[in-house]
Amino acid sequence: NAGVTQTPKFQVLKTGQSMTLQCAQDMNHEYMSWYRQDPGMGLRLIHYSVGAGITDQGEVPNGYNVSRSTTEDFPLRLLSAAPSQTSVYFCASKGTGGTDTQYFGPGTRLTVL
Amino acid sequence: DAKTTQPNSMESNEEEPVHLPCNHSTISGTDYIHWYRQLPSQGPEYVIHGLTSNVNNRMASLAIAEDRKSSTLILHRATLRDAAVYYCILRYVFRGSTLGRLYFGRGTQLTVWP
Repeated sequence: NAGVTQTPKFQVLKTGQSMTLQCAQDMNHEYMSWYRQDPGMGLRLIHYSVGAGITDQGEVPNGYNVSRSTTEDFPLRLLSAAPSQTSVYFCASKGTGGTDTQYFGPGTRLTVL
Repeated sequence: DAKTTQPNSMESNEEEPVHLPCNHSTISGTDYIHWYRQLPSQGPEYVIHGLTSNVNNRMASLAIAEDRKSSTLILHRATLRDAAVYYCILRYVFRGSTLGRLYFGRGTQLTVWP
């Protein structure tokens, strides 16, 4: 069981470039989400999904797109990167049972120049 | 969504107990109290959660006030590995399941001295 995996670990982009952050989980979890964490701050929810084909916005969705075509994968797309999107991005997943534990990936550190 | 208030930082010596407080005066009857922690350069990890009764697991204990307006995470013997940011988070339960949304504040930075 690899849990939640994220790629890449580090990425540097120029303003205006686009890219996709990958997230995968092998726990057959229905719920997946993306957070960003800025220096000295807690995590803020970007987008989440309660199952394949279903996504919704979190607190800070602007500038990001998501899709959920499979249970395992939940990629986050930056359409036109901006310096304000410099952050550490965490993907998380949880099952729909009563345990309620969320499992987080190791994070992707993104710098936009 | 109900908010939580935690001290910005706390310190402890190794092998001493640590009591991390959290205030959540606007908690509703269906909010679970969750604690996560984030070790340096890692993603958050689950520590413990509870609704009304005190809870124990291998990592920590959770003491919940009778009126549920506050709670305390207890690390019985702090180790250097416990140095982390600890987040107290409320969850909303709907139709028997939470919506899975975690609202993180800034948490409490715990420093453990050898």
